This record gives sequence, structure tokens and C-alpha cells, in this order.
Amino acid sequence: ILNVEQSPQSLHVQEGDSTNFTCSFPSSNFYALHWYRWETAKSPEALFVMTLNGDEKKKGRISATLNTKEGYSYLYIKGSQPEDSATYLCAFNTGGFKTIFGAGTRLFVKA
Amino acid sequence: DVKVTQSSRYLVKRTGEKVFLECVQDMDHENMFWYRQDPGLGLRLIYFSYDVKMKEKGDIPEGYSVSREKKERFSLILESASTNQTSMYLCASSQGLAVDTQYFGPGTRLTVL
Repeated sequence: ILNVEQSPQSLHVQEGDSTNFTCSFPSSNFYALHWYRWETAKSPEALFVMTLNGDEKKKGRISATLNTKEGYSYLYIKGSQPEDSATYLCAFNTGGFKTIFGAGTRLFVKA
Repeated sequence: DVKVTQSSRYLVKRTGEKVFLECVQDMDHENMFWYRQDPGLGLRLIYFSYDVKMKEKGDIPEGYSVSREKKERFSLILESASTNQTSMYLCASSQGLAVDTQYFGPGTRLTVL
């Protein structure tokens, strides 16, 4: 059974702090790794998709890295802002229609 | 702007009722998905459709059926709702699979009493 683990489950930080989360996934049969951001009462929105070992992606203050050999991805947020408060989902795909989602890391940023 | 809409944000039904959850996308996407999300768990795939009238079971199809009569619309049907189907239901669509982004609706929070 394919499983995606995210840690921590939740995180409370102060405005201006930098933070990072981990996503662990099976290292075999890797095809793609997605990160989504899900704000309360809104739809999940795509942040990144990564396919190659060593991939790094960046969007503003948020960046992600990928290690397919050891089966993990990190998401970094530099200088957290209250509007970054959301649940961050990671999702793993082996090439078919099934994408396996982690339970998410819920980030709370206090002003 | 890409859009996936779901018919209801909140729904309360009684055990045994037949429940329809509707999803519409305006992106002409081939693929549509129904997921449920429960506390402490990742999104779990209920059903997937890759074309009109075509469907595949996901990981938890029991107690659900789907209908895709038009490309833009994908319906999830609970034939006889049960309390263990109380959950958040999310619809998504994508053009391709695997590397393609899924675009999600806002979700329907269903409570079965």
C-alpha cells in the first residue's frame, strides 16, 4: 500500500519566522510529486509539481526540493506571513490516475 | 480563470437517503475525480472519470456510484447514505494525469444523521 507521510501535522509560528515541512513517499515507482496549498473555506491550489531527483522549485517566498532516491520532499516558507496560514498537502503519483495525498501540514502564522 | 464548482458547500441528509453531489468544470478537462477528506487522513480517491460515460474505481468506491453524461459534469451518488459517509467531498479536474495539476472545487461538507 502506497503511503505518503507529512510532518509535522501542525505548526504554529510567528510572523517573520521561516519554516519547513517534510513529505515522505515511497522511493520506488516515482513519477511526480505535487504540493498544494489549501486555505480554509477555499479550494486546494497547486504550488509545485516536481518530477526529477534534485528538482528545486520556487514561487515567491515558498520553495520546494525533491529527493526521489530517499523518498522525501521539503517545502520551505521564508518570512512567514499570516496569509500563509493554510494546510499544505503533498501528493505522490506513480504515473497513473491515482495520486496519493498526505494528510497535510497545517500552518498557523500569528501576527 | 479556471473554475471547478460544486453544487453545495454544506449538506445535511438522513440515513438511507439518496444523495447527489454535482461537480462542474469549465476548462474542457478530460479527467475528473471525486475525493473524500477525513480528519487525519489524506484525500482518498472514490472514483475517477477519463471521458464521458467512462469511469474507474478509486481506493474507496464502496457505497458510491458516479455519472458522467457530459464532459463538464461529474456527479457522485450515495445510493443510501450512511453515517460513515459523513465527510468533506472534493471534486477535481485535470487535463492530463500524473504530472498535470488537479484543479479542485471548494468541497461539500456532507453530514449524514
